[in-house]
Amino acid sequence: NAGVTQTPKFQVLKTGQSMTLQCAQDMNHEYMSWYRQDPGMGLRLIHYSVGAGITDQGEVPNGYNVSRSTTEDFPLRLLSAAPSQTSVYFCASSYLRDTRSGTGELFFGEGSRLTVL
Amino acid sequence: AQSVTQPDIHITVSEGASLELRCNYSYGATPYLFWYVQSPGQGLQLLLKYFSGDTLVQGIKGFEAEFKRSQSSFNLRKPSVHWSDAAEYFCAVGAGYGNKLVFGAGTILRVKS
Repeated sequence: NAGVTQTPKFQVLKTGQSMTLQCAQDMNHEYMSWYRQDPGMGLRLIHYSVGAGITDQGEVPNGYNVSRSTTEDFPLRLLSAAPSQTSVYFCASSYLRDTRSGTGELFFGEGSRLTVL
Repeated sequence: AQSVTQPDIHITVSEGASLELRCNYSYGATPYLFWYVQSPGQGLQLLLKYFSGDTLVQGIKGFEAEFKRSQSSFNLRKPSVHWSDAAEYFCAVGAGYGNKLVFGAGTILRVKS
């Protein structure tokens, strides 16, 4: 059981380049999300999805796009990378365990460290 | 809006000593609270969670946390720290539909022998 798999683990980009961070989960979770982690700021939600074809913005969505064509995959796209996007990115998934509040335990990938020069 | 405050950026304890990491939250309704641990270069692992019921919650690796509504706190405790507990610890509160979590800034735990 692989859980949540992120690729690549490390990436260096130049300003203006585009790239996609891949995220796949094999637990049949409805919910998937992307966070970025910056020193002293914890994790901040970028985008999330509650099922295939449904996505929404989190706290810091600017500069990022997502789509959810299948239950398993939730890629994060940087269209024109900027140095401010240098960060560690985490994908997470979960069941929608409590339908009243929607809050369940998140399972995290190991992270993708992105450097934008 | 929901928020989480972890007042201590760094904490150093001696191996075998007790540990308490502080967490205060802001949320209008009954909170869903979590503690995660992150070892260097790794993802986040859930230590424990509080949804409802008993306010003292037991987790993995000998950790426990107590929910105190009157103090808006969810402090993490361990009676005897091991060197392998050195990591960064994050408190988080459930922020509504879709399993969104709001995280605190984290507390880095150092264990000295």
